[in-house]
Amino acid sequence: SSKLTQPPSVSVSPGQTASITCSGNNLGDRFVSWYQQRPGQSPVLVIYQDNKRPFGIPERFSGSNSGDSVTLSISETQAMDEATYYCQAWDSSTAVFGGGTKLTVL
Amino acid sequence: EVQLVESGGGLVQPGRSLRLSCAVSGFTFEDYAMQWVRQAPGKGLEWVSGISWNSGSIDYADSVKGRFTISRDNAKNSLFLQMNSLRTEDTALYYCVKDWDISSSGTFDYWGLGTLVTVSS
Repeated sequence: SSKLTQPPSVSVSPGQTASITCSGNNLGDRFVSWYQQRPGQSPVLVIYQDNKRPFGIPERFSGSNSGDSVTLSISETQAMDEATYYCQAWDSSTAVFGGGTKLTVL
Repeated sequence: EVQLVESGGGLVQPGRSLRLSCAVSGFTFEDYAMQWVRQAPGKGLEWVSGISWNSGSIDYADSVKGRFTISRDNAKNSLFLQMNSLRTEDTALYYCVKDWDISSSGTFDYWGLGTLVTVSS
């Protein structure tokens, strides 16, 4: 299965937009999900099928998929958004996760 | 309210076996695929195995293929993971995860709190 690459860390100021990228071969041909994991908690689905938000996830969270990379964007970032974010795709009957990006809200 | 409650974790010696269980409630279990995902201490998420609604389609990560067996009992709303020939690198928090479709789709919409498996001599 193919590998998904994320930056280890991203920093953002409160109120600004955070962008987290995820790259991998032929990502544009697959649906990508994003999960938020706060310290000590279980992951939470925040984006699925590239750009859809589950019920209860704020509109501030959005996703895009273009070619070999996908992006999770968080607008008007708040302190509560500080967490590790994982991208994930389904490939050849296996699920692949990115290594995770720790978002710090400074 | 969807609930996924894992059990069966613990300390086990290398080469031994362990059986994890996941009791679910709050949704029609037989209508959805289910997954196991693990997370080693301080590390990222690793998908382990998935099973379709009727057990007709089962998939495993290469790292556990031949050693782990996923199964489900729709009558008892339960998911299982039989882990044999355990290795130290299997040490992790094991999450029971609900898929949003009847077959594995890659969208995991609910996660349990996890059960910790420690493989050590």
